Amino acid sequence: DIVMTQSSISLTVTPGEPASISCRSSQSLLRSNGYNYLDWYLQKPGQSPQLLIYLGSTRASGVPDKFSGSGSGTDFTLKITRVEAEDVGVYYCMQALETPITFGQGTRLEIK
Amino acid sequence: EVQLVESGGGLVQPGGSLTLSCTASGIVFSSYWMHWVRQAPGKGLVWVSRINGDGSGRVFADSVKGRFTISRDNARKTMSLQMDSLRAEDTAVYYCAGSPDYSNSIHYWGLGTLVTVSS
Repeated sequence: DIVMTQSSISLTVTPGEPASISCRSSQSLLRSNGYNYLDWYLQKPGQSPQLLIYLGSTRASGVPDKFSGSGSGTDFTLKITRVEAEDVGVYYCMQALETPITFGQGTRLEIK
Repeated sequence: EVQLVESGGGLVQPGGSLTLSCTASGIVFSSYWMHWVRQAPGKGLVWVSRINGDGSGRVFADSVKGRFTISRDNARKTMSLQMDSLRAEDTAVYYCAGSPDYSNSIHYWGLGTLVTVSS
């Protein structure tokens, strides 16, 4: 199974400041078609998860452009340009390359 | 608007059985792979199972293989998870989720239904 590791369990950010969350996979998520099969999800308090980024860097429908995904192979980053109170929650990376689908353990974003 | 609505959760004794259902609206159901993802209280997300668009392909996490069965009825836009031989560690909120055909990226999630396995 592909193991997904998020380096930070939690992150506290001042409103208006940027944030960065890292994720590493135990094997490459890059396919020969050039796509990285890495997704980012946000689970806000008391809510279901929601898709933010898929294929490494494509924003899902309705996701503001303050969220961006980057990286390739085994190392990926989710960036938020200016954190707001509504961004609070747990961010998960997930490999979509193969089954079993696996998630990182999550990074909790809190506001200072 | 896309909606995935789960039902069937509840309290069940260890060794018992339970069937979860998911009803979809707002999507071309047969064009979506459907998943179950669970989350134990206070824990992270764990993928459980997937069924492809026409129901011909089913995949399970090792932790549930041989105990859980997944099925779908495209005419009724429903998906089910039959859970047998339930254990305490199966206690979780179970989310119904959908990804476009040939993709595992989960674009749609239900609100979840709680399954508690306890005596």
